[in-house]
Parts: sequence; C-alpha cells; structure tokens
Amino acid sequence: QSALTQPASVSGSPGQTITISCTGSSSDVGGYAYVSWYQQYPGKAPKLMIFDVTKRPSGVSNRFSGSKSGNTASLTISGLQAGDEADYYCSSYTSSRTYVFGTGTKVTVL
Amino acid sequence: QVTLRESGPALVKPTQTLTLTCDFSGFSLTTSRMCVSWIRQPPGKALEWLARIDWDDDKYYSTSLQSRLTISKDISKNQVVLTMTNMDPVDTAMYYCARLESGTYSSFEYWGQGTLVTVSS
Repeated sequence: QSALTQPASVSGSPGQTITISCTGSSSDVGGYAYVSWYQQYPGKAPKLMIFDVTKRPSGVSNRFSGSKSGNTASLTISGLQAGDEADYYCSSYTSSRTYVFGTGTKVTVL
Repeated sequence: QVTLRESGPALVKPTQTLTLTCDFSGFSLTTSRMCVSWIRQPPGKALEWLARIDWDDDKYYSTSLQSRLTISKDISKNQVVLTMTNMDPVDTAMYYCARLESGTYSSFEYWGQGTLVTVSS
C-alpha cells in the first residue's frame, strides 16, 4: 500500500486560508468516506483534527474543515494563525482493511 | 478520560524481537466497538500504520509487515501488546498506540505519547 500523496509544504500569512491536498486511489480515499486529518507539533503525538472526511472532533476549531472529490481529499485552514504551524497528515481506510497515511505537509505561517 | 501510554526497550539489536506494551485507561477492550492500533514514525518521516485489535479479538495487520507482527490484548491488565520480529535498523522509529474512533473505526481519536525504539548493534 503506497502512502497517500501530500504536498511537502504549504505556507500562508496570518488570516489567510490554505488548503492541503491528499491524493490516493479508488482503493482508499476514493472508495470510502473514511479520510481523517492529524496535526502534529515537533516532538508531540498527532492530534485528530478531522474524521470521516468532514467531521470535527469536539474541541477542534471550526477554522479547520475537510472535503473530498474523487480520489483527492483536502484540509482547509481558514483564518490562519501562528499556532497552526505544524505538520499535517491525512489517513484513509483501505479496501485491504488496513489504513494508509499521507506523506505529510509542513504548514508554515509567514 | 481516555489515556494510553506506550512502553518498551529503547534499544534493540538487529534480528531481535521487539515487544511493546500499550497501557490504557478510560475504556475497556471488552466494550463493543473499542479498537486499538499501533502506528510508527521514523525520525523525520511520515506515520505508518502497523496493526489493529478489536474488542472481539479481530486483528488486522499492515500488508507489508504482517509476517513480522503480532498484536494481542490482556483484558485483565488493560494492555495491548505488539511484537515485531527480526528487527532492522530501518525499524528505528517512534511507536505510538492509539484508540480508534468508535463510530466507523476510521480514525485514531486518542494517542499515547509514543516510545522511541532504536535498532542498532
């Protein structure tokens, strides 16, 4: 199972909106509504930000939103803040009854 | 409050077998729809899913690593154990355990802080 493809880096200024893509195949992203997104600060464990493509866990800011079209899922961060600077990973359930993560995206706030 | 904590050796030699323990609280693996996974992350690299065990003892493994992995649970101790055989330096990574979201099992809702394992002679 190959890792899902994400851009290595995305940047934006405070207040701007950025979008991170996550591209897979019909065996994972395209085949299920089971995409999730994780935020990870250096030296820390990942934190769930979005699950089931569009749902936010309790306590996660509504500035974070998720979507999917075909084999590509996206995470959008609106009103970018300095505290959003972190690594972001997508994940999907797969047809093999396993899970696959993305290659990771470093978000930089300019 | 759900918490998970990983433990195991910090250093293992090539060809040895690694045994990691995940101690958890705030839920029981006897409760329907509870599932725990292991995930690892080599230094500076991406996350990689390894295995999952369910409340009903169903088990799932990474396709590429399944010949080397065994996941089990000890209900009485609230523990999930992962063993990985024939360790290699490329297995050097932070190893996390995580509880899955109990609705669709599609995401990893609660994570431990991780335990760093280095493989070196």
